[in-house]
Amino acid sequence: KQEVTQIPAALSVPEGENLVLNCSFTDSAIYNLQWFRQDPGKGLTSLLLIQSSQREQTSGRLNASLDKSSGRSTLYIAASQPGDSATYLCAALPPGNTPLVFGKGTRLSVIA
Amino acid sequence: ETGVTQSPTHLIKTRGQQVTLRCSSQSGHNTVSWYQQALGQGPQFIFQYYREEENGRGNFPPRFSGLQFPNYSSELNVNALELDDSALYLCASRRQATDTQYFGPGTRLTVL
Repeated sequence: KQEVTQIPAALSVPEGENLVLNCSFTDSAIYNLQWFRQDPGKGLTSLLLIQSSQREQTSGRLNASLDKSSGRSTLYIAASQPGDSATYLCAALPPGNTPLVFGKGTRLSVIA
Repeated sequence: ETGVTQSPTHLIKTRGQQVTLRCSSQSGHNTVSWYQQALGQGPQFIFQYYREEENGRGNFPPRFSGLQFPNYSSELNVNALELDDSALYLCASRRQATDTQYFGPGTRLTVL
């Protein structure tokens, strides 16, 4: 059974700092891995999706990497801004017609 | 904007009552999934519908049921509400099993 873990659970950084959020999964047999952002009380916004054949994806100041063999993914945020404050969730999609398996998220606070 | 809408935004019910939550997916998205997200947790998979038939279910009791309609809308019904059913309920749609899932803004259900 796939399990997804995110460390740390919460993170507070000063504005402008580069930071890395970590995600690990127990079963390397995944179809893709997706990173989401969630603002308090809101739904999920997809940030990046990495297919199993890819190593990384970039969008603006965000870069996500995937290492299936070690069961790890990282989300790198460059030059953090207060507007980046949110909870970041990673989710693995196992093969077949299966649902996403989510981690519990990392709550990020960027202090001005 | 993900193109996925949910109604109502908030709902307050009492224990033992029944509730229906609604979701409208993007046109052409044949697969809709429902998730329950308790406070401080990642979303947990409830069930999934493909072309109006349930084709996957998580660890939720039968009092959680659903419907999907030809117009890309769907419903989540919960009978005999319990206090622990208080959560954010999210629906997500996608065109194919391997596509990005697009989430709605969620319905916040409070059971008193």
